[in-house]
Amino acid sequence: SAVISQKPSRDICQRGTSLTIQCQVDSQVTMMFWYRQQPGQSLTLIATANQGSEATYESGFVIDKFPISRPNLTFSTLTVSNMSPEDSSIYLCSVTKAGGAGGGYTFGSGTRLTVV
Amino acid sequence: KNEVEQSPQNLTAQEGEFITINCSYSVGISALHWLQQHPGGGIVSLFMLSSGKKKHGRLIATINIQEKHSSLHITASHPRDSAVYICAVTQGGSEKLVFGKGTKLTVNP
Repeated sequence: SAVISQKPSRDICQRGTSLTIQCQVDSQVTMMFWYRQQPGQSLTLIATANQGSEATYESGFVIDKFPISRPNLTFSTLTVSNMSPEDSSIYLCSVTKAGGAGGGYTFGSGTRLTVV
Repeated sequence: KNEVEQSPQNLTAQEGEFITINCSYSVGISALHWLQQHPGGGIVSLFMLSSGKKKHGRLIATINIQEKHSSLHITASHPRDSAVYICAVTQGGSEKLVFGKGTKLTVNP
């Protein structure tokens, strides 16, 4: 299975600033996803990062707030923009090579974000 | 939309006990995944199931497609098994995971 390096592992940020989270995969992968996990909650899909085109966002998430880049099949970034304390969460990336039915999923180690 | 329900929400056990965590879903799936999340936040994939049963070490996962139900068993539980266990499913041709709310397991020495 793929190995993901996610950075940073944690950060404390001032409200109104932005943070960019990176995920580097050790092999080419088809699908890459970005999730948010609010305190005490399960994972919520933010968007699917598409190589060479704009990300596909889930309901309730917009590009201006969570811009995503995916310049190639091994790398993606998620930016949390104009942060507020409500953005304090764990953010995770995940990849799958062969899709949900044919292959498993690998997750990054997560970025624990605290906004003050 | 598939609804994924897990039980129990919280589980405390003594070291050595046999653990069962349950997952049920409302709509037919293409695969079911059991995930483990440690306090630091990272998630590890334990099993992917579409039928039958799988075993890895002290962990056993089963699925009953007709009953739309899966169980994760841990034999001879150990404090290092303490984590949140999450059930997730995919359906149809979608690669998107639909997650349960997780079961927080605490194993005391």
